[in-house]
Amino acid sequence: AQKITQTQPGMFVQEKEAVTLDCTYDTSDQSYGLFWYKQPSSGEMIFLIYQGSYDEQNATEGRYSLNFQKARKSANLVISASQLGDSAMYFCAMRERSFNKFYFGSGTKLNVKP
Amino acid sequence: EAGVAQSPRYKIIEKRQSVAFWCNPISGHATLYWYQQILGQGPKLLIQFQNNGVVDDSQLPKDRFSAERLKGVDSTLKIQPAKLEDSAVYLCASSPVYWTGAKAEAFFGQGTRLTVV
Repeated sequence: AQKITQTQPGMFVQEKEAVTLDCTYDTSDQSYGLFWYKQPSSGEMIFLIYQGSYDEQNATEGRYSLNFQKARKSANLVISASQLGDSAMYFCAMRERSFNKFYFGSGTKLNVKP
Repeated sequence: EAGVAQSPRYKIIEKRQSVAFWCNPISGHATLYWYQQILGQGPKLLIQFQNNGVVDDSQLPKDRFSAERLKGVDSTLKIQPAKLEDSAVYLCASSPVYWTGAKAEAFFGQGTRLTVV
């Protein structure tokens, strides 16, 4: 079974609008962390935001917020006020306590239109 | 703080040749990961080290790929012989702790783009 599922291969958003990138995960661990990374065309992986499985509040980092719904096993990334520089691939990832592995989803390619 | 260093950045080889990639993680990071990322796909974990021991290599094609992390610091990934389907970006990442429940994200190097012709 897929550990991380990202069902949106590509998304378009108008500049200055908000966009939600979907992520669902599968784990039987009680302790885990959820991460979002951005990968621009240059190829580097840039850490954006983290949510721990025991965190009660949704994580926020500037224009990024993570909509964490534990019962539904979803960890959607919300980008507010999109900018042209947000155009990139976005990957959802999970780290389980049991094996310390980072599982990545297949990614969502976001295009921000002027 | 210096980041994860990888070399070379680019490599072009012919099929059946061998190639090696090098990674120097962030100082003090116990966990080191090698990922293969084929164009348009997410990173696929090849091997994970905890210090100099292998934690997981279940997706490493062991007939042609090998990796080592001597002294629990830098690491090399080798492919011998290379196939056309090995064309990908090879990403090295490290993280500071095994597990504390804290954030401990993986820090990535710039990657090595391998083209097999």
